[in-house]
Amino acid sequence: DGGITQSPKYLFRKEGQNVTLSCEQNLNHDAMYWYRQDPGQGLRLIYYSQIVNDFQKGDIAEGYSVSREKKESFPLTVTSAQKNPTAFYLCASTYTSSYNEQFFGPGTRLTVL
Amino acid sequence: GQQLNQSPQSMFIQEGEDVSMNCTSSSIFNTWLWYKQDPGEGPVLLIALYKAGELTSNGRLTAQFGITRKDSFLNISASIPSDVGIYFCAGHGSGGSNYKLTFGKGTLLTVNP
Repeated sequence: DGGITQSPKYLFRKEGQNVTLSCEQNLNHDAMYWYRQDPGQGLRLIYYSQIVNDFQKGDIAEGYSVSREKKESFPLTVTSAQKNPTAFYLCASTYTSSYNEQFFGPGTRLTVL
Repeated sequence: GQQLNQSPQSMFIQEGEDVSMNCTSSSIFNTWLWYKQDPGEGPVLLIALYKAGELTSNGRLTAQFGITRKDSFLNISASIPSDVGIYFCAGHGSGGSNYKLTFGKGTLLTVNP
């Protein structure tokens, strides 16, 4: 089955630790995205990548880093510099030939203790 | 940046009732998308609209791309308990990047059996 997987579903970390969230897709999509979701604030774009080995900052990139070494994978690292990392993180992907429809993974809920 | 105003923020209805929600923008949009998010899950695409005036149905759901290209609405007929969730509008503005979607903040729908 084609789709987007995110792991783990729930993640707990101590304050000050870096943590990496996984996102994998087998839809052959070119572009991948990371969003952060907080209650009542909708979806905010962290980073996006249109092609392997290239990525751009979104609206709230501070305290986050990404890599795109493979077309299928777009991991997100939440660094200790992110002041309020507890949130629900969503990965999405789409074809660059038609950027219109983004498809989302199931999300990872990160809680920093 | 571009913003979408989605209303209402929340709705509490009885099973069997019809529901209507809408999204407006101060600028022209080229694409309107409607997503549904179940609690703790990623958003799922319901309907995509690409032309002004377009009316599209998906089962009990109907969405329209406003003639002015600055609004869209989503109707749900004969609601059932599994309609519970957050409904997001999203789109590509004419003056914005094709790579990024703009999201509304969502409408939280609660259906009382």
